[in-house]
Amino acid sequence: DQQVKQNSPSLSVQEGRISILNCDYTNSMFDYFLWYKKYPAEGPTFLISISSIKDKNEDGRFTVFLNKSAKHLSLHIVPSQPGDSAVYFCAASAQGGANNLFFGTGTRLTVIP
Amino acid sequence: DAGVIQSPRHEVTEMGQEVTLRCKPISGHDYLFWYRQTMMRGLELLIYFNNNVPIDDSGMPEDRFSAKMPNASFSTLKIQPSEPRDSAVYFCASSYLTSGISTDTQYFGPGTRLTVL
Repeated sequence: DQQVKQNSPSLSVQEGRISILNCDYTNSMFDYFLWYKKYPAEGPTFLISISSIKDKNEDGRFTVFLNKSAKHLSLHIVPSQPGDSAVYFCAASAQGGANNLFFGTGTRLTVIP
Repeated sequence: DAGVIQSPRHEVTEMGQEVTLRCKPISGHDYLFWYRQTMMRGLELLIYFNNNVPIDDSGMPEDRFSAKMPNASFSTLKIQPSEPRDSAVYFCASSYLTSGISTDTQYFGPGTRLTVL
């Protein structure tokens, strides 16, 4: 049973526009959320995280929003760049940290020049 | 730092054969994780170790899978006998714990692509 869901397997966006990647979760005990980016033939790399005590965390062009009541988080990339083209994984933990992570199935983002 | 090292990068084997995947975590990290990535289920945690001790192996699919961590710098994931449905990319990741709170992230290796014919 998938506790973290990314319902959009792919997304295409024009360079310079906003990319919005969505993630839903079912376990109300999750209190820490992360986004990873993965290029082909490489392992996932950490992008940004958010604790459940916050509803927004920003790092440069990347912002993660958390809506606990809806059990939903999203990653905004503004402006999108061709180098952002990758698979993005959402992950969640119920232990306040990065151990015992539950991952979504990923969304492939393509930024069109 | 060289990052998490996995070997081999690619493995092709025949059904019934034993497969051993290897991982060297980042020096100083005290947590090590094994994941399996498939199209249908994404990244699944198989097992993780803390200070070389297995903490949670509930994700290991069946008895054909086993993992060991004989020391802080080496871990293996073994599949015996292998089956075609084991074909996937297997990732190893490591992290460290500071002040009782784990770090923000796990650091992943490049993965081993396993194909079982």
